Amino acid sequence: EAEVAQSPRYKITEKSQAVAFWCDPISGHATLYWYRQILGQGPELLVQFQDESVVDDSQLPKDRFSAERLKGVDSTLKIQPAELGDSAMYLCASSPEGWDRGFGETQYFGPGTRLLVL
Amino acid sequence: SQELEQSPQSLIVQEGKNLTINCTSSKTLYGLYWYKQKYGEGLIFLMMLQKGGEEKSHEKITAKLDEKKQQSSLHITASQPSHAGIYLCGAKGDSGGSNYKLTFGKGTLLTVNP
Repeated sequence: EAEVAQSPRYKITEKSQAVAFWCDPISGHATLYWYRQILGQGPELLVQFQDESVVDDSQLPKDRFSAERLKGVDSTLKIQPAELGDSAMYLCASSPEGWDRGFGETQYFGPGTRLLVL
Repeated sequence: SQELEQSPQSLIVQEGKNLTINCTSSKTLYGLYWYKQKYGEGLIFLMMLQKGGEEKSHEKITAKLDEKKQQSSLHITASQPSHAGIYLCGAKGDSGGSNYKLTFGKGTLLTVNP
């Protein structure tokens, strides 16, 4: 069964350092999402890509966060510099075309990257 | 923006007992998704509800959508330790143009004691 891949699974860094997370969506999924989940909360959307284009990055702290999906396949999320408040789980998800119109489809999530900023 | 409130926030049950988790939306629900998350892991899709009155079941888990109440419920029959985890509801919302996103509740932490 196809899955969303993420790496690394865990990352410990010191504040002011740069960190990067990688995501490989399910093959053929045009839409890719990055979410941030703080402990005890639900996931919150940071950025949404349709192919290589950003559709929604309204909640992305653009002064320190950046995301790219250059060839419309895999994606990288970067934080520079990291702050203590960035400690969270970073989840990547992908969805097939028309997932929002039903047909039993949804967003499929990867295992996440747990970030701890010291 | 749409907000989802889940209740209870946490739940401890004895193995074999039935339980219900609720998800209430501040706006009309056009699609409601239930996910399960093990601590420190990603979200596993359980089921999706789209129409008012719709009810779906998978093994011992049943979800219903009450469009009028803007609410969905997730019911587990004869709970097992394998049901333990965080249950999250997500609602489909508009992120611009023809693209949609999911807005999630804070989750319900379920503990099942053997």
